[in-house]
Amino acid sequence: DAGVTQSPTHLIKTRGQQVTLRCSPKSGHDTVSWYQQALGQGPQFIFQYYEEEERQRGNFPDRFSGHQFPNYSSELNVNALLLGDSALYLCASSLRWGTDTQYFGPGTRLTVL
Amino acid sequence: GNSVTQMEGPVTLSEEAFLTINCTYTATGYPSLFWYVQYPGEGLQLLLKATKADDKGSNKGFEATYRKETTSFHLEKGSVQVSDSAVYFCALRLNTGFQKLVFGTGTRLLVSP
Repeated sequence: DAGVTQSPTHLIKTRGQQVTLRCSPKSGHDTVSWYQQALGQGPQFIFQYYEEEERQRGNFPDRFSGHQFPNYSSELNVNALLLGDSALYLCASSLRWGTDTQYFGPGTRLTVL
Repeated sequence: GNSVTQMEGPVTLSEEAFLTINCTYTATGYPSLFWYVQYPGEGLQLLLKATKADDKGSNKGFEATYRKETTSFHLEKGSVQVSDSAVYFCALRLNTGFQKLVFGTGTRLLVSP
């Protein structure tokens, strides 16, 4: 049973560029959440997708957007990258009508130069 | 608002010592509580959870009891190992609607032989 997978593992971009990160949820899960973890900090919630719609959003600007596909996989897009966007981006999956446990992927390390 | 406060680290212990990492929370309502662990260069792994007052979560020798009266969820282990060296995150999730995880800032544990 595959867990949550994310791609790519690492990414280097320059200021002003755009980036797309990808996530495949754990088998059987239908809800995907994205978190940003800055160095030395706890993860901060970006948004959550269920049935291909954004259901809840954290305190992040509109430069951060996402998508969920019919197979439940998800993308996180960040436009007009800033140096402060450098972080580990974590995807978590869960089952909407099951237990409340979220399972995390290994993350994508984004470096903005 | 909803928040989690953890003791600052690093916590430095010798192998076989007793571990306590303090966690207190503020929440509107009755949250589920979690401990996640993050090993170097990896994503978050669920360590244990408790969903209601007086529940005890346990896994791999770690324990935490949901204390509603003191709004706490302290992590304990009777005898730590070098392999327990990692960053530990306490988190809460409200049990209504589409709810995010709210994390503490994390506590680094260093165990020496």
